[in-house]
Amino acid sequence: GAVVSQHPSWVICKSGTSVKIECRSLDFQATTMFWYRQFPKQSLMLMATSNEGSKATYEQGVEKDKFLINHASLTLSTLTVTSAHPEDSSFYICSAKWRSDTEAFFGQGTRLTVV
Amino acid sequence: GQNIDQPTEMTATEGAIVQINCTYQTSGFNGLFWYQQHAGEAPTFLSYNVLDGLEEKGRFSSFLSRSKGYSYLLLKELQMKDSASYLCAVKDSNYQLIWGAGTKLIIKP
Repeated sequence: GAVVSQHPSWVICKSGTSVKIECRSLDFQATTMFWYRQFPKQSLMLMATSNEGSKATYEQGVEKDKFLINHASLTLSTLTVTSAHPEDSSFYICSAKWRSDTEAFFGQGTRLTVV
Repeated sequence: GQNIDQPTEMTATEGAIVQINCTYQTSGFNGLFWYQQHAGEAPTFLSYNVLDGLEEKGRFSSFLSRSKGYSYLLLKELQMKDSASYLCAVKDSNYQLIWGAGTKLIIKP
């Protein structure tokens, strides 16, 4: 299957700092990328959907100014958690697909711990 | 509202067969996915059903009945490494994935 690479795999940061997470599709052009958050023992929660070259669409309750998403190219999307706080500690996962009717491929996930 | 139901947890024995059910109520339907997720890792794709019937892929099979809003994932010849959460997800009319909460499968020797 297609490969989606997410970096970093884990990060620890101090409260108040910003963290950037990268999501790359390595062998296909991702017209759409998704960002999810998953708290322990819970299902994936969609945060936002981004299409290349346009602004991301955020789910209700997700602060767009706190979770900045950039999808500048067909192979790269970034999620920046600005002014991170301990409650932002979670497992962040990106997924990408090249067409609306195809499966989504997931990155490895990033475990963010804010101390 | 949109809803996907699957059991929270199931236990099975190594070498046996287990069936994980998923029922859904969504605004439109454009396919159903099953993903496997080991603890601390991202989900990995297992199967995709868009037409009624059974899709077989090695030890794993997935069934869909659109009229009943029902799917199941069948795992045969269970191995210890199959211990994981299994997530059912439905693509709605807007091609957005709606996720179930996942079924934690525990395999015992």
